[in-house]
Amino acid sequence: DSGVTQTPKHLITATGQRVTLRCSPRSGDLSVYWYQQSLDQGLQFLIQYYNGEERAKGNILERFSAQQFPDLHSELNLSSLELGDSALYFCASSAREFDSYNSPLHFGNGTRLTVT
Amino acid sequence: ILNVEQSPQSLHVQEGDSTNFTCSFPSSNFYALHWYRWETAKSPEALFVMTLNGDEKKKGRISATLNTKEGYSYLYIKGSQPEDSATYLCAFSGYTGNQFYFGTGTSLTVIP
Repeated sequence: DSGVTQTPKHLITATGQRVTLRCSPRSGDLSVYWYQQSLDQGLQFLIQYYNGEERAKGNILERFSAQQFPDLHSELNLSSLELGDSALYFCASSAREFDSYNSPLHFGNGTRLTVT
Repeated sequence: ILNVEQSPQSLHVQEGDSTNFTCSFPSSNFYALHWYRWETAKSPEALFVMTLNGDEKKKGRISATLNTKEGYSYLYIKGSQPEDSATYLCAFSGYTGNQFYFGTGTSLTVIP
């Protein structure tokens, strides 16, 4: 058990809809990362938060947004969903210190999103 | 977007065989290289974090080496066991970006 909790585990929704994915990081970890894994693709970095602030952005679509709350949990909001958004979305957390890049990522079990 | 490449894409070995695979990454502005093991229906789990050129890390039968000057890392598994079957991912982080770039992984199947 990595200590990172993601909910829900599965989500099925229709095109055009909006969903929210939730992540609770490992206790004490300040950084939260969101990754997308589509079919036959590697893990694609979406966005990172550190202690409530956005720290880095990857290829995140404008229809997607995220935030990290004061209790350090994070939410990834996906709107105007398209069939191509169907993927496994992972949250990972790391580091109790500011310099997190030499600390490993601890991954949640992912949310499987299916857009029909 | 930085390119992190892993080879081979997949590998089938017999139980007891030793094996190795490669992660290639940009050699400039290196900060850290991570290895993860990802079993089917589970989440990726960290194996090693490597930060210095020439680093060698070991965990049981699995070890890794790092060459930051030429931009590659090797992962070795000695005496493969069926429970080693998984996808092995590497992730690179450099000073120019605040993110980890993952390779697409090497899928290892160990045949009993």
